[in-house]
Amino acid sequence: AQKVTQAQTEISVVEKEDVTLDCVYETRDTTYYLFWYKQPPSGELVFLIRRNSFDEQNEISGRYSWNFQKSTSSFNFTITASQVVDSAVYFCALSDQGGKLIFGQGTELSVKP
Amino acid sequence: GAVVSQHPSWVICKSGTSVKIECRSLDFQATTMFWYRQFPKQSLMLMATSNEGSKATYEQGVEKDKFLINHASLTLSTLTVTSAHPEDSSFYICSAGDRPLYTGELFFGEGSRLTVL
Repeated sequence: AQKVTQAQTEISVVEKEDVTLDCVYETRDTTYYLFWYKQPPSGELVFLIRRNSFDEQNEISGRYSWNFQKSTSSFNFTITASQVVDSAVYFCALSDQGGKLIFGQGTELSVKP
Repeated sequence: GAVVSQHPSWVICKSGTSVKIECRSLDFQATTMFWYRQFPKQSLMLMATSNEGSKATYEQGVEKDKFLINHASLTLSTLTVTSAHPEDSSFYICSAGDRPLYTGELFFGEGSRLTVL
């Protein structure tokens, strides 16, 4: 069975601190996709990144970076120099090729000025 | 880019009434759409997979007679919450892809917030 675990329920940091959100997944599929979404208080899901199981390259996009390690089944997300606008709930999710997502429990990030 | 739109964004209804939520793919055809439910402060849970022209596939624990899903066209799936009760109050969100994920993308609607009084 597929499963996604985000062990950090809530994280609070002060602006400009770096913060890493952890994500561990379980799947028996050899081809799968990993996602990160941001959910602000308004509720919509904001797509951040998608990774397929054959691409273990880490990625950096501005202040965001992702570390995908198949050996530990982890797909961690780091925000560098956090800002108040980064405050939101962040979800890690796993999918097969069909697009059915299994979400982690979410991590609520609070960035204080 | 491709867009998925949901309507209504929010709805308040009385207990016992039925509410219909629409999920539309605006510029692509989606043979499959997915419906998720999110209770406050919780994660998104898949409710069902909506298949165009055939019956929806429901996840374990989801009452198919209570949450009616119709996917009558390649661009529209509807979720009807029948005889709604306060415990059905939740955020409902749909997603759709324009192709299988190895070549395509996945898009989410804006979500629909249901409050049952």
